Amino acid sequence: AQTVTQSQPEMSVQEAETVTLSCTYDTSESDYYLFWYKQPPSRQMILVIRQEAYKQQNATENRFSVNFQKAAKSFSLKISDSQLGDAAMYFCAYYSNTGNQFYFGTGTSLTVIP
Amino acid sequence: GAVVSQHPSWVICKSGTSVKIECRSLDFQATTMFWYRQFPKQSLMLMATSNEGSKATYEQGVEKDKFLINHASLTLSTLTVTSAHPEDSSFYICSAGRGAYQETQYFGPGTRLLVL
Repeated sequence: AQTVTQSQPEMSVQEAETVTLSCTYDTSESDYYLFWYKQPPSRQMILVIRQEAYKQQNATENRFSVNFQKAAKSFSLKISDSQLGDAAMYFCAYYSNTGNQFYFGTGTSLTVIP
Repeated sequence: GAVVSQHPSWVICKSGTSVKIECRSLDFQATTMFWYRQFPKQSLMLMATSNEGSKATYEQGVEKDKFLINHASLTLSTLTVTSAHPEDSSFYICSAGRGAYQETQYFGPGTRLLVL
């Protein structure tokens, strides 16, 4: 089974600064999708960004971007110009096309310091 | 973006009663929906995969007779917690997928269940 590892249980960043959240995964598949989801205190899971494994170009969504290293099986999330509203739990996730299943990491709790 | 609703958002019930939670994809159809359980400050734990028109697939350790899933249409899946007990108290979340492989999951807002 695929595994997703987030090695940073907690992170903090100063408002307006940049922070990078780490994620690694283990798979033998070549075609898959990777995601970052945000879960604020409301507990609503919100899609932040997605990456198709067959695309070499790193996905970006406004202040959010990823560093996708397929060979290293690494998928980090960079948040630029951090805002107070970015404070949340962030989950890295892997989707298997063949298994039709989602695998979540354990999450990173991000605190934004005013 | 895609919208998934969940109802109810909060439910408190007595031990022994059954509780039904609805998950609806409001602006798209989904042949597959997922049900998760989440404990405080932990990740999502997949309980089962709900398949439209067929039986749900349960993860190991999840009692299918305890957590009944019905995927009656392409926009609705229901989770019924039968004979609920205090240990079933938790936060339950559903998701539905969009995309060529339904790979992008959109989540409902969750249901907080408290069994007294």
